[in-house]
Amino acid sequence: QKEVEQNSGPLSVPEGAIASLNCTYSDRGSQSFFWYRQYSGKSPELIMFIYSNGDKEDGRFTAQLNKASQYVSLLIRDSQPSDSATYLCAVTPSNFNKFYFGSGTKLNVKP
Amino acid sequence: KAGVTQTPRYLIKTRGQQVTLSCSPISGHRSVSWYQQTPGQGLQFLFEYFSETQRNKGNFPGRFSGRQFSNSRSEMNVSTLELGDSALYLCASSQYGTPYNEQFFGPGTRLTVL
Repeated sequence: QKEVEQNSGPLSVPEGAIASLNCTYSDRGSQSFFWYRQYSGKSPELIMFIYSNGDKEDGRFTAQLNKASQYVSLLIRDSQPSDSATYLCAVTPSNFNKFYFGSGTKLNVKP
Repeated sequence: KAGVTQTPRYLIKTRGQQVTLSCSPISGHRSVSWYQQTPGQGLQFLFEYFSETQRNKGNFPGRFSGRQFSNSRSEMNVSTLELGDSALYLCASSQYGTPYNEQFFGPGTRLTVL
C-alpha cells in the first residue's frame, strides 16, 4: 500500500465549476498535509497546508481534512483554465522529516 | 527573499559516469530535502539534511548520496549512472524541517543519462 494515494485523472471540469481533488493516506499518525500544484515542466508550488480536522479556506481554494477517515481533499471554486495542472498531495508522517507525495491528479479546466 | 536555486538546470551524462547536483536553499532555511521525479514513479524522497546532518533517507541505492555545508547549501551525487536515473531532481527547503514547516521547491535539475 502506498503512503499517499490519489486518483491520477485526468479530471475535467468546465470553467467556473468546482473541482474536487481527493487524497488518502495510510499512516494514521500523520501530522500535516499539503497541496502542491505542478504545471508541466515546472517544479511543484505550494498552494496550501492543513494540520487540523475541518476546512481551511484560502481564496478560491479550500482544503478539507478528516483524520478519522485518513482523507484530505482540495476544492477549487470558480475553476479557471489557468488552474489546469497536476495537483500533488503531500503528507508528513508520524516519523517526521519526510514528505510522502501522491502521484498527483491531473486537472483540465475547459473554457 | 530569493527562492531555492539549483544548478545546473540540465545535464546530459552517459552510463557509468557520476554527477553532482547543487542546491541553495532559501535564506534562513536549514532543512534541505532531495527528490527524484519520473513519469512512472512520481515524486520520490531521496534524503533530508538539517544542519549538515542527514536526518532521513529514502529507499534509494547507495549510489545516491548527499551532503550539506555549514551555509545550508546542499549537494547530491549519483555515481555509476544508469539509464533509469534519468529524471528531474528537485530540492526543497524548509525552515526547520518539522512537520509544520512547508517545503519550497527549486526549479529542478533535469538529468538525462544516455
